[in-house]
Amino acid sequence: NAGVTQTPKFRILKIGQSMTLQCTQDMNHNYMYWYRQDPGMGLKLIYYSVGAGITDKGEVPNGYNVSRSTTEDFPLRLELAAPSQTSVYFCASSNDRGALNEQFFGPGTRLTVL
Amino acid sequence: AQKVTQAQTEISVVEKEDVTLDCVYETRDTTYYLFWYKQPPSGELVFLIRRNSFDEQNEISGRYSWNFQKSTSSFNFTITASQVVDSAVYFCALSGDTGTASKLTFGTGTRLQVTL
Repeated sequence: NAGVTQTPKFRILKIGQSMTLQCTQDMNHNYMYWYRQDPGMGLKLIYYSVGAGITDKGEVPNGYNVSRSTTEDFPLRLELAAPSQTSVYFCASSNDRGALNEQFFGPGTRLTVL
Repeated sequence: AQKVTQAQTEISVVEKEDVTLDCVYETRDTTYYLFWYKQPPSGELVFLIRRNSFDEQNEISGRYSWNFQKSTSSFNFTITASQVVDSAVYFCALSGDTGTASKLTFGTGTRLQVTL
């Protein structure tokens, strides 16, 4: 079991560029999440999904989009990168009880927008 | 709305000292769950414990112990005989059984530095 994997590990973008952060889990979890972690702060929820084809906004969704076409994959899209999106992004998954149970986190993607 | 407060931003201790990390929460849910996660310098988040609102028994796991008190809305974490490997950022988190897809609310974390 690889758990939750994320690619890339690091990325530098120029303002206005777009990119997709990839997230894959092999635990057959229905719930998946995207968080961002700014320096000295806790994690803030960007988007989440309760199953394939179902996504919803979290606390800080502006500037991001997601899709969930399969149980395993939950990519996060940044359309027009801005310096405010410089952060570490974590993908997580959990079983059918969602956030009531342990969430398994990926290793994170460190994104810098210049 | 849910809120988690970790008032201690940074704590420094010398190895073998005991240290307690504080966590205070706010929620209107009757049923809720509290968590602690560890984020070592390598950056990944590691699950430590989950406690539901109906279980106020304290828990001990090796050098780690947790004290849950509903009366003060606190879920504190104590490391006994701290070690250098305990150096990390520790997050307290809260989720509630609201009937909609539950979401996890994190505190801002406490950075623990253990030195020799």
